Amino acid sequence: GAGVSQTPSNKVTEKGKYVELRCDPISGHTALYWYRQSLGQGPEFLIYFQGTGAADDSGLPNDRFFAVRPEGSVSTLKIQRTERGDSAVYLCASSLRGQGSNNEQFFGPGTRLTVL
Amino acid sequence: GQQLNQSPQSMFIQEGEDVSMNCTSSSIFNTWLWYKQDPGEGPVLLIALYKAGELTSNGRLTAQFGITRKDSFLNISASIPSDVGIYFCAGHLSGAGSYQLTFGKGTKLSVIP
Repeated sequence: GAGVSQTPSNKVTEKGKYVELRCDPISGHTALYWYRQSLGQGPEFLIYFQGTGAADDSGLPNDRFFAVRPEGSVSTLKIQRTERGDSAVYLCASSLRGQGSNNEQFFGPGTRLTVL
Repeated sequence: GQQLNQSPQSMFIQEGEDVSMNCTSSSIFNTWLWYKQDPGEGPVLLIALYKAGELTSNGRLTAQFGITRKDSFLNISASIPSDVGIYFCAGHLSGAGSYQLTFGKGTKLSVIP
């Protein structure tokens, strides 16, 4: 079956602009996660959805970042008034469920965001 | 910030050699996971460990969940060119949500044919 897909694969924008990044999780996975990976670093947790609701958004760096998952499947990460420091690879992952053991997260290829 | 110390940061080895890398933390983890990431791709899960002391193999890969729950290692035997990539340890911190993964900074592996 299809894995996690993310669009666009690359996004170049100017400082101050608004961007949306999309994630299509594996079909049937109820849990969805967003991570951010800066150059030379491991991914860092941003937000976790269980179904349609954001169960934990403690990793979002500030209120310019927002994410939705209105129908419990596709998710969109939204960044307002982008800054150069937002440049990174944004990774999406999904898992069959969010809690409990043996609950592996499968990652998409990421969206590389560059803010000029 | 990240709470995992992963080493070495990078390594160059000859094809056919064995490789060892590890992760340590001052905090207790409930699970340890090892991922491999190729350029332009997301991390791919290699091995998952769920119990302290657990030793698990996946082909030429072997990983262990440390008894103290604060460390893990990954061994790769008889390396081949396609082993090139960045290897990340990750885990679920005890006391944090079991959904949230904490990652190390990665070990970049280069294999010389």
